[in-house]
Amino acid sequence: RKEVEQDPGPFNVPEGATVAFNCTYSNSASQSFFWYRQDCRKEPKLLMSVYSSGNEDGRFTAQLNRASQYISLLIRDSKLSDSATYLCVVGGGADGLTFGKGTHLIIQP
Amino acid sequence: ETGVTQTPRHLVMGMTNKKSLKCEQHLGHNAMYWYKQSAKKPLELMFVYNFKEQTENNSVPSRFSPECPNSSHLFLHLHTLQPEDSALYLCASSRPQGATNEKLFFGSGTQLSVL
Repeated sequence: RKEVEQDPGPFNVPEGATVAFNCTYSNSASQSFFWYRQDCRKEPKLLMSVYSSGNEDGRFTAQLNRASQYISLLIRDSKLSDSATYLCVVGGGADGLTFGKGTHLIIQP
Repeated sequence: ETGVTQTPRHLVMGMTNKKSLKCEQHLGHNAMYWYKQSAKKPLELMFVYNFKEQTENNSVPSRFSPECPNSSHLFLHLHTLQPEDSALYLCASSRPQGATNEKLFFGSGTQLSVL
């Protein structure tokens, strides 16, 4: 059974701090990894893909650890607007994509 | 601006009504999806269409009936729904299911309330 596990939080973080959360997956054959962001009552939006070599997009850094089967998301200098639910998505190939339940992040002023 | 358009944005219906949700994608994708998200719950995959053919039905009750006339359009026909069906219904599209690095692009969703 394909499983994607995330700490639901909430993570309460002061503005300007750095926050990181992980996501573990069970299917070692997974090929595609993403982080999505979802605001309350809105659709999920692609935040970034996660590559084997790790990748960075501004204040956001994503990393993949295939040996331990987890991906991570690091947010530096957090902003109030970063408050959202962050969804881990894993899969690809014939198995399709599996969504985690999301990690709720609250940035506090 | 999204490449996946869903209508209506909001829908209130009685349990005896029949209504349809519409989704259209302008991204040239060949796979389309319906997801359900109840309040404070994770996304639940309902249906998948790949090149207009249904490839997945995730044990969805028959009161939900999908239709995919072509790769750009997807409908969800609703009839005799129950109050517990109230949720956010999301359409998504991607490159063909099975492609590597397939990303999902979502429509803005239909917030459905069943009275």
